Amino acid sequence: SQTIHQWPATLVQPVGSPLSLECTVEGTSNPNLYWYRQAAGRGLQLLFYSVGIGQISSEVPQNLSASRPQDRQFILSSKKLLLSDSGFYLCASAGGADTQYFGPGTRLTVL
Amino acid sequence: TQLLEQSPQFLSIQEGENLTVYCNSSSVFSSLQWYRQEPGEGPVLLVTVVTGGEVKKLKRLTFQFGDARKDSSLHITAAQPGDTGLYLCAGGVSDYKLSFGAGTTVTVRA
Repeated sequence: SQTIHQWPATLVQPVGSPLSLECTVEGTSNPNLYWYRQAAGRGLQLLFYSVGIGQISSEVPQNLSASRPQDRQFILSSKKLLLSDSGFYLCASAGGADTQYFGPGTRLTVL
Repeated sequence: TQLLEQSPQFLSIQEGENLTVYCNSSSVFSSLQWYRQEPGEGPVLLVTVVTGGEVKKLKRLTFQFGDARKDSSLHITAAQPGDTGLYLCAGGVSDYKLSFGAGTTVTVRA
């Protein structure tokens, strides 16, 4: 089975600072990878997905970008954070039959 | 606009009672998943249903996929405080992507 690692678990950053969140996957190869953002107690908004190294699709125009430098590594970045970037960020890896497996998430607070 | 509508948004019941959560759409899905999420953690997959009319049971949880593959329900029998969490349904919208409902927050009081 797959294991999804995310770090950091919690992050507090000032407005205008850069961001780098990392996700790594164990137990599978060449997975489809996803970044989601979740508002408190609500559903998941898909931000980016990747079907392979260097291949990134953006779902929502925004202040964020994603990269996939290695097969099982997915990075979410920003050059200058906004207050509206605060949220709970989740990385996921695809399994079979449309299923996805999630990491533990990163709580980002922008002050 | 969300493809999947979940109801109710919030549900608070006493331990031992039963509950049902609904997930509805006007779109047809090839499969539908249910996840449970606890505060500060990632969602955990509970079940995937793929066949119209399918019923799956996971201990005290019963999942049903509508005949037309547009809706699903989750029924919990004799709820326990450990069932507390955010329940999310999700449907496949392409080869690569899922569409998630907004979730139902379930609280089971001891």
